[in-house]
Amino acid sequence: AQSVTQPDIHITVSEGASLELRCNYSYGATPYLFWYVQSPGQGLQLLLKYFSGDTLVQGIKGFEAEFKRSQSSFNLRKPSVHWSDAAEYFCAVGNAGNNRKLIWGLGTSLAVNP
Amino acid sequence: DGGITQSPKYLFRKEGQNVTLSCEQNLNHDAMYWYRQDPGQGLRLIYYSQIVNDFQKGDIAEGYSVSREKKESFPLTVTSAQKNPTAFYLCASKSSHYNEQFFGPGTRLTVL
Repeated sequence: AQSVTQPDIHITVSEGASLELRCNYSYGATPYLFWYVQSPGQGLQLLLKYFSGDTLVQGIKGFEAEFKRSQSSFNLRKPSVHWSDAAEYFCAVGNAGNNRKLIWGLGTSLAVNP
Repeated sequence: DGGITQSPKYLFRKEGQNVTLSCEQNLNHDAMYWYRQDPGQGLRLIYYSQIVNDFQKGDIAEGYSVSREKKESFPLTVTSAQKNPTAFYLCASKSSHYNEQFFGPGTRLTVL
């Protein structure tokens, strides 16, 4: 079955610390992978995406993610977290053949301590 | 500015009433989507449309209806048959040339 797992429901980090949010997927076809961020009461904003090529992708707001096919993972990283990064983060997977629908993780809520 | 608009931001309705949520995009995107978001449950797909005058049920379509008479518009009606309609509703769109979905700001529906 196709699925996306974000193992951490909630993470708290200190401002300035590094961050890694985990995403594991189960998908039969070659995946397209996405990370989105959602501030409270707002819509989702695309942080970054992976379709092919270089497995380390750069996104907005200083985020990056690495696609590891052998581990079926697409973890999101940031070297130094800012208080404004506190939000909900969602990982999603689709593919070119049936990208009308995305499979979504349940999200990771990030809190940032000053 | 190009983007997706959803109105209203907050909506209150009495139980048993139908209510329609608006979603408009001026991005010239072909595909549009409606999601429901509840705490701890992520995003669940209600309906999606790839072209005008065509739409498909998502994972939780029961109690909802949609129409796609214009490329720019994809309204969602929450009917009285939806047992637990109180939720945050998100509309998204996607170009046929790219793979990412773009989201509107959402509508929070509260049924009293």
